Amino acid sequence: TQLLEQSPQFLSIQEGENLTVYCNSSSVFSSLQWYRQEPGEGPVLLVTVVTGGEVKKLKRLTFQFGDARKDSSLHITAAQPGDTGLYLCAGLAGKSTFGDGTTLTVKP
Amino acid sequence: GAVVSQHPSRVICKSGTSVKIECRSLDFQATTMFWYRQFPKQSLMLMATSNEGSKATYEQGVEKDKFLINHASLTLSTLTVTSAHPEDSSFYICSARKSGMSSYNSPLHFGNGTRLTVT
Repeated sequence: TQLLEQSPQFLSIQEGENLTVYCNSSSVFSSLQWYRQEPGEGPVLLVTVVTGGEVKKLKRLTFQFGDARKDSSLHITAAQPGDTGLYLCAGLAGKSTFGDGTTLTVKP
Repeated sequence: GAVVSQHPSRVICKSGTSVKIECRSLDFQATTMFWYRQFPKQSLMLMATSNEGSKATYEQGVEKDKFLINHASLTLSTLTVTSAHPEDSSFYICSARKSGMSSYNSPLHFGNGTRLTVT
């Protein structure tokens, strides 16, 4: 079974602060995706990273895929209350394996 | 594009009854759909993989006779919770992958979930 560990599980910060969420596995994934989910809704895809060492930016969000394709990170710069939500990483290898999730709360 | 509609969004049923949840891909065909269960502030737990025209593949520990899955067309998968009990109360979410897309880097498109409450 391929497992993805996300850390931290819960994160509460003030508006304007920076944060990093980590997604780690002992398995190699062909690609990895990050999703954001708001309460009562389904997850929405943020990014897919495919190449080891790849870095992708989406406005204030920076995603990195580890060189060995076993880990990934999500960095948010100058967090805003609208960033609040559950962030999920998912490794793809046929079916998706989801991480434990990180619940982010950004206080105004 | 790539919209997945899940219905109903909320359902309350009495213990012992059955509930059917639909997952439709509105603007694409999906050979494969997935059903998840999610508890508050937790991640998605994959229950089963629904394959069009064939039997679903269930994850370990998921009772196939309790959670019936039917994927009769390329745009519709249904999950029926049979003889529901209060412990089945949860948030159920489906996702779909576009037919023909590689399973190694294509995104999953999620429905908005169904909140099931069994009284």
